[in-house]
Amino acid sequence: EPEVTQTPSHQVTQMGQEVILRCVPISNHLYFYWYRQILGQKVEFLVSFYNNEISEKSEIFDDQFSVERPDGSNFTLKIRSTKLEDSAMYFCASSEFLGQGLYDYTFGSGTRLTVV
Amino acid sequence: AQRVTQPEKLLSVFKGAPVELKCNYSYSGSPELFWYVQYSRQRLQLLLRHISRESIKGFTADLNKGETSFHLKKPFAQEEDSAMYYCAHKAAGNKLTFGGGTRVLVKP
Repeated sequence: EPEVTQTPSHQVTQMGQEVILRCVPISNHLYFYWYRQILGQKVEFLVSFYNNEISEKSEIFDDQFSVERPDGSNFTLKIRSTKLEDSAMYFCASSEFLGQGLYDYTFGSGTRLTVV
Repeated sequence: AQRVTQPEKLLSVFKGAPVELKCNYSYSGSPELFWYVQYSRQRLQLLLRHISRESIKGFTADLNKGETSFHLKKPFAQEEDSAMYYCAHKAAGNKLTFGGGTRVLVKP
């Protein structure tokens, strides 16, 4: 069964440093997403990406965040200057359109980001 | 704004007992609802979507538009059902809005 792959599984970074979280979505999926889950809290939507541009973003996704699909297979989330409160599990997902308004979402196993 | 509420953070049941996980949503249009499961240290996996009305691993969920609920049920819980369960809602646009999750612990 096709999977969404995320690397690294765990990243520790110093406050103020830039981090790039990487994802390889399922190859025939056209929609890509980043979600995050702060420890003990709910899974929160960050951003969706379609046709090489952001289609929707949440209030969390401020100027410190950016996404890119640099080479047609990877989908990256960059945090420009990390803060302690960015510590969370970051999930990548991709989806395909099944028709009749239905989408099938597949999630990666997540990257645990720890900002120290 | 879309909201998904899972009122129970933890449900502890004995093996063989019924389990029901509650989920309520706030949305006035036609909702598309899902249940995702996350086993220990694994990825979020789709368990059910309301549109397919199927039973997966013995779980069922019925959409009740009058009560705006999509509760997940299983008549006889198994130890391997111990996991985090998330109710999610997709409205306009493609993003999913998740509830806070319910941890299910099935005791032997």
